[in-house]
Amino acid sequence: QSALTQPPSASGSPGQSVTISCTGTSSDVGSYNYVSWYQQHPGKAPKLMIYLVNKRPSGVPDRFSGSKSGNTASLTVSGLQADDEAAYYCSSYAGNNNYVFGTGTKVTVL
Amino acid sequence: QVQLQESGPRLVKPSETLSLTCTVSGGSISTYYWSWIRQPAGKGLEWIGRIYTSGNTNYNPSLKSRVTMSVDTSRNEFSLKLTSVTAADTAVYYCASSAGSYIDYWGQGTLVTVSS
Repeated sequence: QSALTQPPSASGSPGQSVTISCTGTSSDVGSYNYVSWYQQHPGKAPKLMIYLVNKRPSGVPDRFSGSKSGNTASLTVSGLQADDEAAYYCSSYAGNNNYVFGTGTKVTVL
Repeated sequence: QVQLQESGPRLVKPSETLSLTCTVSGGSISTYYWSWIRQPAGKGLEWIGRIYTSGNTNYNPSLKSRVTMSVDTSRNEFSLKLTSVTAADTAVYYCASSAGSYIDYWGQGTLVTVSS
């Protein structure tokens, strides 16, 4: 199995929006609505931000939203804040009780 | 809220077996899937696999031949064994809980180094 493809980096100024893509195949992202997104600050464990493509766990601001089209899922962070600067990873069910993560995107708040 | 804590040797010799245990507190281990994920320094996350309290397991196909997971409900613990390790297995290892298709709670992670 191959990791899902994410851009290595993305950036935006405070208050702006940034969208991160997560491209898989018809065997993972394209076939299942089991896409999740995680935020990871340096030296910390990842934190769940989005699950089932577009659901937000309790406590996650509505500035974070998810979507999917075909083999590509996306995470949008609106109203960027300094604390949003982190690495973001997508994940998808890949069939046969197997899961795959994305390559990760480092978001910089300018 | 569920809390997870990894424990085990931080240094493992090449060709030997990496063994980690995750202790679960703040919730029952009798629900959820219990997962292991790893992250080499400066790199991305890799799903290792998961175990349900029934003992049913799912492993990453690329690691399946070397991985064994187990659960001890009486101790609220689950474990990972990875055999025949090499330097490529050096990583931060996270234990985590899965409500289904996503990881909702993560341990703090523990760095395991493979070196002689």
